[in-house]
Amino acid sequence: KAGVTQTPRYLIKTRGQQVTLSCSPISGHRSVSWYQQTPGQGLQFLFEYFSETQRNKGNFPGRFSGRQFSNSRSEMNVSTLELGDSALYLCASSPRQGAARGGELFFGEGSRLTVL
Amino acid sequence: DAKTTQPPSMDCAEGRAANLPCNHSTISGNEYVYWYRQIHSQGPQYIIHGLKNNETNEMASLIITEDRKSSTLILPHATLRDTAVYYCIVRPVTQGGSEKLVFGKGTKLTVNP
Repeated sequence: KAGVTQTPRYLIKTRGQQVTLSCSPISGHRSVSWYQQTPGQGLQFLFEYFSETQRNKGNFPGRFSGRQFSNSRSEMNVSTLELGDSALYLCASSPRQGAARGGELFFGEGSRLTVL
Repeated sequence: DAKTTQPPSMDCAEGRAANLPCNHSTISGNEYVYWYRQIHSQGPQYIIHGLKNNETNEMASLIITEDRKSSTLILPHATLRDTAVYYCIVRPVTQGGSEKLVFGKGTKLTVNP
């Protein structure tokens, strides 16, 4: 089975621009989560989607948004980029949503965003 | 989510057992203990999780104390490829349909040849 695929793997943007990151979950997985990882803040939860609906959202400004498509693929968008948005953005998928044995997430290798 | 406390770093000799501790003194009865690891420049990888009983899989063993206030992840024969940051996470059995995980700082394990 193919793992979680994130594109692009690396990208460089300048302040004020916007960026869209893509995530293809493992086949059959319907839950997709996004995390931001920075050296200072570590891994922080952004949001999660299940069946095209946002189920939970972290404490990030409205510049950060996402969506999920009917095939479970997900995208996240960051508008008006700031220097502090430089980070590794990780996508994770799960076959079940909120089940008692949930919490087993499968992560992609991430998209590393540099904002200049 | 209950908070966890882990040592920031540990060293282990290749071939020896690596024992990574985690304190979760405020854990509730309906919360699992999860372990993930993150090898440099990769996404986190699920290792194991447990509620009350000790658990073992092909990667590791998880020992949870009887009072559930602490746990130990055991890598029985550490290899150089086990060098990574290990995260101990406490998560409710159910949390309103959310799969959210709250990561702390973790323990940087270095396996030395």
